[in-house]
Amino acid sequence: QKEVEQNSGPLSVPEGAIASLNCTYSDRGSQSFFWYRQYSGKSPELIMFIYSNGDKEDGRFTAQLNKASQYVSLLIRDSQPSDSATYLCAVNRGGSNYKLTFGKGTLLTVNP
Amino acid sequence: DVKVTQSSRYLVKRTGEKVFLECVQDMDHENMFWYRQDPGLGLRLIYFSYDVKMKEKGDIPEGYSVSREKKERFSLILESASTNQTSMYLCASSTFSGRASGWYFGPGTRLTVL
Repeated sequence: QKEVEQNSGPLSVPEGAIASLNCTYSDRGSQSFFWYRQYSGKSPELIMFIYSNGDKEDGRFTAQLNKASQYVSLLIRDSQPSDSATYLCAVNRGGSNYKLTFGKGTLLTVNP
Repeated sequence: DVKVTQSSRYLVKRTGEKVFLECVQDMDHENMFWYRQDPGLGLRLIYFSYDVKMKEKGDIPEGYSVSREKKERFSLILESASTNQTSMYLCASSTFSGRASGWYFGPGTRLTVL
């Protein structure tokens, strides 16, 4: 079983729609969860992180975490063509564990 | 803003050469990391360091070594470059500090070994 799984996509949404990106993880001891955006040829850019069950909002982005289901998602409201990128989910066990385990990413395309 | 810089954006080396990739962060982060990213394989951790002169192997350390003599600088060394080390190399630093928590990446070095 892969440690962090994401649908590779591509996920295609029209401009102005809500894009929903999903991620599951296998390690029940995982404590913190991160979403990164990566444009083609560029390095990953941190969008937001979440530690607690529930929703966390930051501008057009909402992260959702359900530790019981080992599921984390990212919603992008009012999607723009500039949001077209690969979105990486990453998971950390916390404490003195320094390892951040990444999924392989979901390619999002926002169509004008 | 966190800033992580890497010494080169693009690098071309010959098989057998010794290669140095350097990374500098300006946010006083304790932890620094080297990843490589390959199509279909995602991001894989090579080495990390949680303090000056401390280092830990990641998932794929073979063929690599690292050096951290100063807190802000973390170097990746390819002792004898091989073609299967052609990749995008990404340095990161991390902190768990309130709203700034996270791993922050440099721009990457695309290394080609001929």
